Amino acid sequence: GAGVSQSPSNKVTEKGKDVELRCDPISGHTALYWYRQSLGQGLEFLIYFQGNSAPDKSGLPSDRFSAERTGGSVSTLTIQRTQQEDSAVYLCASSLQSGHLANNEQFFGPGTRLTVL
Amino acid sequence: DAKTTQPTSMDCAEGRAANLPCNHSTISGNEYVYWYRQIHSQGPQYIIHGLKNNETNEMASLIITEDRKSSTLILPHATLRDTAVYYCIVRVAGYGGSQGNLIFGKGTKLSVKP
Repeated sequence: GAGVSQSPSNKVTEKGKDVELRCDPISGHTALYWYRQSLGQGLEFLIYFQGNSAPDKSGLPSDRFSAERTGGSVSTLTIQRTQQEDSAVYLCASSLQSGHLANNEQFFGPGTRLTVL
Repeated sequence: DAKTTQPTSMDCAEGRAANLPCNHSTISGNEYVYWYRQIHSQGPQYIIHGLKNNETNEMASLIITEDRKSSTLILPHATLRDTAVYYCIVRVAGYGGSQGNLIFGKGTKLSVKP
């Protein structure tokens, strides 16, 4: 079946502009995660959604970053007034929330490569 | 901070077994060991996970020491396509919430050579 998809795959923007990154999770997956990966670095957790609510926003680096999720499906990560240090690959993952251990793997999308000039 | 330590890089000959070690000496009783890998320019891919028993699936085997302070991921017959960064992660499994996010360290860059 279809996996996690993200769009756009690449985004080049000028410093100070706003950008929106989109994530379509696997159908039926109630949990959705956003991470970012800077060049040569490991993944950094940003925010987690359970359904449409975000119980954990602890990873958002500043108030320029926000995210929403509607209908328990698609999520949008918005970065306002982008800075050069925001340049990274933004990865989205989804998982099927269940008490059964085997359903808690996170399935990742291909990411959006953001370049802020 | 990541709760695991892994070698920065490893080489393996094609067709041979790749054994990737991971230390997690502060692991809690309710934390599982997960392994993901990330092939260049792709998102991370789940490989395997376990609590205390050894686990095997179609991709790999996971060997966890009796004291659970370390583990080894084994790719039995490495191929060139297994070249990737391998991440060992400990996390509480079961329900999501703030404990559900994965905390990635730097991982081990495995290079499979012909």
